[in-house]
Amino acid sequence: AQSVAQPEDQVNVAEGNPLTVKCTYSVSGNPYLFWYVQYPNRGLQFLLKYITGDNLVKGSYGFEAEFNKSQTSFHLKKPSALVSDSALYFCAVRDRLISGNTGKLIFGQGTTLQVKP
Amino acid sequence: NAGVTQTPKFRVLKTGQSMTLLCAQDMNHEYMYWYRQDPGMGLRLIHYSVGEGTTAKGEVPDGYNVSRLKKQNFLLGLESAAPSQTSVYFCASSPSRGYTFGSGTRLTVV
Repeated sequence: AQSVAQPEDQVNVAEGNPLTVKCTYSVSGNPYLFWYVQYPNRGLQFLLKYITGDNLVKGSYGFEAEFNKSQTSFHLKKPSALVSDSALYFCAVRDRLISGNTGKLIFGQGTTLQVKP
Repeated sequence: NAGVTQTPKFRVLKTGQSMTLLCAQDMNHEYMYWYRQDPGMGLRLIHYSVGEGTTAKGEVPDGYNVSRLKKQNFLLGLESAAPSQTSVYFCASSPSRGYTFGSGTRLTVV
């Protein structure tokens, strides 16, 4: 079965410090991996995705994520956090073997990022 | 370019009432999805559609029905609302890889 785990409910960092939001996944086949961000009272916005190729993926707003197949992880990172990065972050996976042509994504439970001035 | 539009944005229902949530997309996407978001549980898939005239059950389909009579619209129905259906509902559409989300419908069932 496919699943996604975000082990931290909340991550607190000081502005200007690097940040990491963790994500691990479990799939039967090769994964498509995604990060989305949700600001208060808004829908989810796409940040970045891994489909194939380079393990380091760069996305919107200076975020990046590293695909690690051996550790089944896809952690979200940013070298220098901004107060405006404070939001709810979701990791999502699509198992290409199981999902077939449905395009279904399975989401983690979300991690709240709090960046303090 | 509106993307994905959900109506209504807010609604309060009494237990046992029915309602329909509308999702409309103008990107000609084949795939559409309905999720519910509850605190600490992330997003859970209710129903989805891989094309006009097709629908399928997701992870938590009980108490909901859907229809996709036109490619651009995906309707989510609650026939007899229950307090357990209090949630934020998100619609998403996709060409095949990755979603575009609507802004959500906050539903309270009292």
